[in-house]
Amino acid sequence: KAGVTQTPRYLIKTRGQQVTLSCSPISGHRSVSWYQQTPGQGLQFLFEYFSETQRNKGNFPGRFSGRQFSNSRSEMNVSTLELGDSALYLCASSQGLVGETQYFGPGTRLLVL
Amino acid sequence: AQKITQTQPGMFVQEKEAVTLDCTYDTSDQSYGLFWYKQPSSGEMIFLIYQGSYDEQNATEGRYSLNFQKARKSANLVISASQLGDSAMYFCAMRECLNQAGTALIFGKGTTLSVSS
Repeated sequence: KAGVTQTPRYLIKTRGQQVTLSCSPISGHRSVSWYQQTPGQGLQFLFEYFSETQRNKGNFPGRFSGRQFSNSRSEMNVSTLELGDSALYLCASSQGLVGETQYFGPGTRLLVL
Repeated sequence: AQKITQTQPGMFVQEKEAVTLDCTYDTSDQSYGLFWYKQPSSGEMIFLIYQGSYDEQNATEGRYSLNFQKARKSANLVISASQLGDSAMYFCAMRECLNQAGTALIFGKGTTLSVSS
């Protein structure tokens, strides 16, 4: 079975721009979660989507949004980019049962200049 | 609030030696799950092992075992017979119950493991 894939792997943007990241979960997985990893804050939960609905949300501003499609693929969008948004964005998938293991993709490294 | 603490920023071990990576947690939930992930320099988070709070036996997966001491709220990862490929950052994580459904993970700060020959 193919693992979680994320595109693009690397991105460079400038302040004020917006960016869209994509995540394709493991086949059969219906839950997709997004995490932000920075040296200062570590790994932080952004949001989780299940069956095209946002099921959980972390403590991030409204500039961070996401969506999930009927094939379970997910996108996250960051508008009005700030320097502090530079991070590794990780996507994880699971079948969607509470507490089960999440499997991560390789991440997208975003650099905001 | 739930919290994961990893007190070892870095650990150094020689090949074939065993190493223990520490993790303590804080939660008021009776039912919870603990995970360990490995993150090589490439960035991908690789799932290693899981321990449920009601599991009576310590989890094991190949060279990985979890030393679960519920009363002490610790869930240390033991890697036996270290290999050069084990050099990476290791994260302890806990399932956080935000509502009745869904799962979010909270992570510790991580421990960098360096294995030398």
